[in-house]
Amino acid sequence: GEDVEQSLFLSVREGDSSVINCTYTDSSSTYLYWYKQEPGAGLQLLTYIFSNMDMKQDQRLTVLLNKKDKHLSLRIADTQTGDSAIYFCAERDTGTASKLTFGTGTRLQVTL
Amino acid sequence: NAGVTQTPKFQVLKTGQSMTLQCAQDMNHEYMSWYRQDPGMGLRLIHYSVGAGITDQGEVPNGYNVSRSTTEDFPLRLLSAAPSQTSVYFCASTSGGPPYEQYFGPGTRLTVT
Repeated sequence: GEDVEQSLFLSVREGDSSVINCTYTDSSSTYLYWYKQEPGAGLQLLTYIFSNMDMKQDQRLTVLLNKKDKHLSLRIADTQTGDSAIYFCAERDTGTASKLTFGTGTRLQVTL
Repeated sequence: NAGVTQTPKFQVLKTGQSMTLQCAQDMNHEYMSWYRQDPGMGLRLIHYSVGAGITDQGEVPNGYNVSRSTTEDFPLRLLSAAPSQTSVYFCASTSGGPPYEQYFGPGTRLTVT
């Protein structure tokens, strides 16, 4: 079955760049997503990338996709304290539109 | 639009009790899902539905039932609660076109003693 792996924790200083990494196993993934979860809340879609793209930039966010290595990364430029949250990557396969496979989540801590 | 709403926000059950977690969405989405979130394990899919009257099992369906009588509502029933079902439960609905964004409810924190 599909498997999505993330490191559990990342600490960065305010103003630095954060890079959160994710590896996945399903080569038939169509869309790959980054979701953000703030304390006590549900997940919110941050950005996504279609599987035929290598890179997507959206303001402070840059998503890189290496299909050969099945590696996805999210770079947050000029990280702010408001970026402190848990970040989940997720993949959607070509099967059922309702099924996403989520990674374990990376807790980003931004220090002053 | 209220988006996806879930009730209750918090619940404590004794082992063996049953209850229903409510979920509703007002976006007319066909696809809806239930996940549970446990520390270090991400979100795991319990059940999902691709439309009214159609449901299917996800990764961890044991101990849970669902039904989908309307497009709007997708309740999750715990038949006989167990301590292993202590978790945070999220309902989500998915847009019908690319990029198939999932919209999540605020979650229900369930403790089974």
